[in-house]
Amino acid sequence: GAGVSQTPSNKVTEKGKYVELRCDPISGHTALYWYRQSLGQGPEFLIYFQGTGAADDSGLPNDRFFAVRPEGSVSTLKIQRTERGDSAVYLCASSFQGASTEAFFGQGTRLTVV
Amino acid sequence: SQQGEEDPQALSIQEGENATMNCSYKTSINNLQWYRQNSGRGLVHLILIRSNEREKHSGRLRVTLDTSKKSSSLLITASRAADTASYFCATDATGRGSTLGRLYFGRGTQLTVWP
Repeated sequence: GAGVSQTPSNKVTEKGKYVELRCDPISGHTALYWYRQSLGQGPEFLIYFQGTGAADDSGLPNDRFFAVRPEGSVSTLKIQRTERGDSAVYLCASSFQGASTEAFFGQGTRLTVV
Repeated sequence: SQQGEEDPQALSIQEGENATMNCSYKTSINNLQWYRQNSGRGLVHLILIRSNEREKHSGRLRVTLDTSKKSSSLLITASRAADTASYFCATDATGRGSTLGRLYFGRGTQLTVWP
C-alpha cells in the first residue's frame, strides 16, 4: 500500500500479558516514529528510528517497552507485562528524512488493557 | 515537557468564519509543521514552514512563523463543518538536549465548526 500501515487496529489484552504492535512504513522512508496518545492529549513521543537504529528512545516510559526495526523497514513495538495505564492509541509515522520533512501517520492501534 | 503548546485548547465557530490557532515553542527549530487529526486516529500533515520563512499558504490555510517570539499561527479561512478536528503543531528542536530528527507535538486545539 501507499501509506503507513499499523496492525492490529484494535487490541484488547489482559493485564500482565505481552503484546506486539506492528508498523509498516512507506517504502523508502528512513525515519520511523512511535507515539502514543491518550484521550484529549497530544501524541507522546516514544522512540525514533533512523534506519535500523534507535536514534532516540528517551520516550519509552520504562523497560517494559521495547521497539525494533531490524531491516530498516517494518517496526514492532513490544510491551511486556501490560498494565491498565498502557491503554492508549499507539501511533506510528514515517518520513523520508526525519523531522525536516513531513511525517505520514498510520491509523494507529488502539490498545486496551483490561 | 512538550516543546509545542497550542492555544486555545478549544475553539468553536460558525461556518464561514475564520479560525486562528496559535502555537508556542521553547527551543530553536529548523521547521514547524501543522497536523490535523479526526476522531483520535491518524494525523494528517497540513503544512510545513521552515525557520527562514515567515508565511506560507496552502488553499484556505495560512501559516505564519515568528522565530523571535517562538510562535506560529494557523489560520483557516472560510471554515466548513468538515474542518472540525484537532489541530497540532509539531517542531523539530535544535536546542541543547534535543535530538535532531525527533518531532515534538503539542496538546492540540480542538476546533468545532457549526453549520
